[in-house]
Amino acid sequence: EIVLTQSPGTLSLSPGERATLSCRASQSVSSSYLAWYQQKPGQAPRLLIYGASSRATGIPDRFSGSGSGTDFTLTISRLEPEDFAVYYCQQYGSSPGLTFGGGTKVEIK
Amino acid sequence: QLQLQESGPGLVKPSETLSLTCTVSGGSISSSSYYWGWIRQPPGKGLEWIGSIYYSGSTYYNPSLKSRVTISVDTSKNQFSLKLSSVTAADTAVYYCARQPLYSSSLPMEWGQGTLVTVSS
Repeated sequence: EIVLTQSPGTLSLSPGERATLSCRASQSVSSSYLAWYQQKPGQAPRLLIYGASSRATGIPDRFSGSGSGTDFTLTISRLEPEDFAVYYCQQYGSSPGLTFGGGTKVEIK
Repeated sequence: QLQLQESGPGLVKPSETLSLTCTVSGGSISSSSYYWGWIRQPPGKGLEWIGSIYYSGSTYYNPSLKSRVTISVDTSKNQFSLKLSSVTAADTAVYYCARQPLYSSSLPMEWGQGTLVTVSS
């Protein structure tokens, strides 16, 4: 089973700043089957990035994903007020099993 | 537009069985193109995949929960269901149902709004 470790646990930034979130896998993620979700209180997770670097429909281009193998990054180029939330990485693949990271909270400094 | 709606008791007693149903509208659960999954999130904590089912009835479970989980599908009602036995307070969580397309390698593309289940006497 692949274990996903996200860092940092909390990121304190101001609107307009750049956010860099990390997701490290315990073993290589095949075919870059790595996704990123945003979750706000009381809401279901919202898909941002899939395939490590492809933006989901309707996601602003300030969100970008990169990485391969065991190291992946979500970057928010300039934080908007609505971007303060919790972000999860997720591994998926040919079987329906899913693995999630522990999450990174992006909070207003 | 596909919609998923979780339903079931919001309060379950310890040692009893948690039962939830996900009703699918705007799409057919009998399609060969999708898995249908359950994911949960304890209050203030992260997400955990519980298991998934294919329209044919093939099931896939998280090994950590496998001994207590049963997922079934009712194509006549366009629903799929979750049963989790012998619950404890650790099973208190928001439970989500989701559709996992085969074309997206089972990445959940649509989620229900979630339902909170509290385990307490």
